Amino acid sequence: DAGVIQSPRHEVTEMGQEVTLRCKPISGHDYLFWYRQTMMRGLELLIYFNNNVPIDDSGMPEDRFSAKMPNASFSTLKIQPSEPRDSAVYFCASSGTGYQPQHFGDGTRLSIL
Amino acid sequence: GQQLNQSPQSMFIQEGEDVSMNCTSSSIFNTWLWYKQDPGEGPVLLIALYKAGELTSNGRLTAQFGITRKDSFLNISASIPSDVGIYFCAGITGTASKLTFGTGTRLQVTL
Repeated sequence: DAGVIQSPRHEVTEMGQEVTLRCKPISGHDYLFWYRQTMMRGLELLIYFNNNVPIDDSGMPEDRFSAKMPNASFSTLKIQPSEPRDSAVYFCASSGTGYQPQHFGDGTRLSIL
Repeated sequence: GQQLNQSPQSMFIQEGEDVSMNCTSSSIFNTWLWYKQDPGEGPVLLIALYKAGELTSNGRLTAQFGITRKDSFLNISASIPSDVGIYFCAGITGTASKLTFGTGTRLQVTL
């Protein structure tokens, strides 16, 4: 079975550019999560969706970050404009209903120069 | 955000040794999960625990859900080089599947 698929795996761009990260959750999963991982702060939940609807975006750092889930098989996390402090590994995860465990993609390593 | 207290922070052990790590919280959790993360990859689920007191094994791995629902431990028996990585505990409470992650235990195995 295909797991959570993220693209791109690596992104290097200059400060001020728009960055779009993509995620395809596991088919049939109702929940989708976006995380950011850094050495200093560990894994931080940014936002999560249930049935394509954003439920909790309290972890989104600021207005420069936005996330969408237009359908059950696709989500994007956008940063505009990007800043060097946004450099991190961004993970997408999905889970079924209730208390089922989350399954993670392999992440996008983002470097903002 | 809130994080679980995970210890030890890092471990250096010899191949064949047993490993024990734990996770504690001031809050109650309904589900405890243990993940392993290899370099350049996402966390991979190792064990899920759903009931207080539950003891679950997955090969050489054994994990327990604490009776108080505020802690969990993970044991690895007879460690091998491929056990190297970062181990995270995670707890679920309240609504949905929103996870709170531990700070991670970095495991190094020497031959």
